[in-house]
Amino acid sequence: NAGVTQTPKFRVLKTGQSMTLLCAQDMNHEYMYWYRQDPGMGLRLIHYSVGEGTTAKGEVPDGYNVSRLKKQNFLLGLESAAPSQTSVYFCASSFWLIRAGTEAFFGQGTRLTVV
Amino acid sequence: AQKVTQAQTEISVVEKEDVTLDCVYETRDTTYYLFWYKQPPSGELVFLIRRNSFDEQNEISGRYSWNFQKSTSSFNFTITASQVVDSAVYFCALTVAETSGSRLTFGEGTQLTVNP
Repeated sequence: NAGVTQTPKFRVLKTGQSMTLLCAQDMNHEYMYWYRQDPGMGLRLIHYSVGEGTTAKGEVPDGYNVSRLKKQNFLLGLESAAPSQTSVYFCASSFWLIRAGTEAFFGQGTRLTVV
Repeated sequence: AQKVTQAQTEISVVEKEDVTLDCVYETRDTTYYLFWYKQPPSGELVFLIRRNSFDEQNEISGRYSWNFQKSTSSFNFTITASQVVDSAVYFCALTVAETSGSRLTFGEGTQLTVNP
């Protein structure tokens, strides 16, 4: 009963370093999302994917890239980390048709600090 | 564009008090879905409720109840007889039908502290 799993849980990066956050879901969901959570701002959508091989920009996409080579995985990349990217990152997944009665399921979050 | 506003940044109550968390939303779409999520100190996001725009019935689940009023664009959440375990950040969120899936617009969150 894994649901949505994010790797890693914590990470400290130096400015300019790169890293990839991995999200895996086992619910056969079509949609996957990456959000960032900052104090006083709620969660904001970075990128999302409507299916294998497709990605789209969300509200705050600058500085991030994503890939969805397999339906169950959604990767978030930071090519050159900046202190402004210090945040908690959440991955989520859902079925494409919300009227089917399901909500988005979230991972445990990744706390990233860029120094 | 959609917007969700949770004007209460922090609320502090004493155990057993009732508390209401406010949520006001903006959208031009006639079909939309509203959500409440709970984020306890452990950090995960826990789904509480989903309500679609055509269903204005209030809902009660144990000590939790939700009041959806389209006339005021509000979807408020009340906890009756609050308990220490209710201490968390609560998020209200919105998605519209055209996007499909669940691209959520979140409010800023309300930090609820229930003191013993």
